Amino acid sequence: AQSVTQPDIHITVSEGASLELRCNYSYGATPYLFWYVQSPGQGLQLLLKYFSGDTLVQGIKGFEAEFKRSQSSFNLRKPSVHWSDAAEYFCAVGVSDYKLSFGAGTTVTVRA
Amino acid sequence: EPEVTQTPSHQVTQMGQEVILRCVPISNHLYFYWYRQILGQKVEFLVSFYNNEISEKSEIFDDQFSVERPDGSNFTLKIRSTKLEDSAMYFCASSEEGFVNTNTIYFGEGSWLTVV
Repeated sequence: AQSVTQPDIHITVSEGASLELRCNYSYGATPYLFWYVQSPGQGLQLLLKYFSGDTLVQGIKGFEAEFKRSQSSFNLRKPSVHWSDAAEYFCAVGVSDYKLSFGAGTTVTVRA
Repeated sequence: EPEVTQTPSHQVTQMGQEVILRCVPISNHLYFYWYRQILGQKVEFLVSFYNNEISEKSEIFDDQFSVERPDGSNFTLKIRSTKLEDSAMYFCASSEEGFVNTNTIYFGEGSWLTVV
């Protein structure tokens, strides 16, 4: 079955440092991949998505992700994190016309 | 930016009671969804709804669950007889059209359901 795996449960990063969150997918065809963020007390907000074409995808809030078919990965990156980036991040894959399958999430803590 | 709103934000209910979770999707959206997240687990798809019909549902969405669009703005999830294992955050979502590859799914803030 199509799925995504987020190997890191929790990451702590210093403010101003770079951030990379890992996501590996299992899918036979070209996957539709997404990154969502959930800040405390907020809903799930779409950061970026990949369907086809350019493998480096730009999103909101300064995030980008790179699709690597050879590694079955779709890692999320930000060059310099801000305290407001502390949140839970979810990778997801589209598994049907209407349905997303989510990873377990990675919690990001930003220290001053 | 338009948003999906959910009520209540938190509800505590006795086991066996009926619960209705309410959602107001984004006004021009036609596809509606419920997902849930049990504490410490993944966000899971429950159901998608279009044109007053369920378009897809998961194995979790058994006979104790139902969805309804009672009027032009609300979308509800009913759990008929709650169980302890129904305790979770329930997310409502909507999209302009189906097809996740071309349409963004917008999520609400979630409704925490605690069954005691």
